Amino acid sequence: AQRVTQPEKLLSVFKGAPVELKCNYSYSGSPELFWYVQYSRQRLQLLLRHISRESIKGFTADLNKGETSFHLKKPFAQEEDSAMYYCALQTGANNLFFGTGTRLTVIP
Amino acid sequence: GAGVSQTPSNKVTEKGKYVELRCDPISGHTALYWYRQSLGQGPEFLIYFQGTGAADDSGLPNDRFFAVRPEGSVSTLKIQRTERGDSAVYLCASSLTGALGANVLTFGAGSRLTVL
Repeated sequence: AQRVTQPEKLLSVFKGAPVELKCNYSYSGSPELFWYVQYSRQRLQLLLRHISRESIKGFTADLNKGETSFHLKKPFAQEEDSAMYYCALQTGANNLFFGTGTRLTVIP
Repeated sequence: GAGVSQTPSNKVTEKGKYVELRCDPISGHTALYWYRQSLGQGPEFLIYFQGTGAADDSGLPNDRFFAVRPEGSVSTLKIQRTERGDSAVYLCASSLTGALGANVLTFGAGSRLTVL
C-alpha cells in the first residue's frame, strides 16, 4: 500500500536560514511526487512537481528513489514562506495521496 | 469562472441528516476531484470524475456517500444519514484533462461540514 510520511508536524526556522521539509514515501509503482502549499486563508495550491525539475519561489525538491524521499528545500527562508506544506504521491493515473502536512513558521 | 467555487462554505447539521455539497469547477476542466480533510490530516481522496462519469470512486468511505456530475461541469457530493465522524472540510479540485503529471489541480476553498 502507498504511504506518504511527513515526520514533522511543525517546523520553525529563522528568516534567512536554510529550510528542509522532509517527505518519505512508500509505493510499489513508479513514483510521481508533488509538493502542495496552503498559505494562511488561501487555498491549497501546487508548489512544484518532481517531473518538472523546477524551482518555485526558491524551493527545490529532488526525488531520491534509493532513500524513497522527496524533501523540499530552500537555502534562505523568507517570512512569506510560512504556510502548511503537503507532500503528495500520485497513485494510479489520477489519484493524489497526501501526507499529513508540515506547518512551517519562519521567524523574523 | 475564474476559480473552483464551492458552496456552502460552512454547513452545520445534526446527526442523521442529509447534506449536499456543491462544486463548480473551472470552465472547460474535464476532470473533477473530491477530497476530504479532517483536522490535522492531509486531504484524503474520495472520488474522481472525467466528464460526467465517475472514473474512480474508490475513496468513498461507505454507501452513505455519493457524488454526481450530470452535465460534466457542476458536481454535487451527497452524504446521507450524516455521522459526527463525517465532520471535515470537503475539498473540490479540477484540472484540464485529468492527467496529473501534466495538469495542475486547482482547489476550491472547501466546504466545512460540522455534524453535531
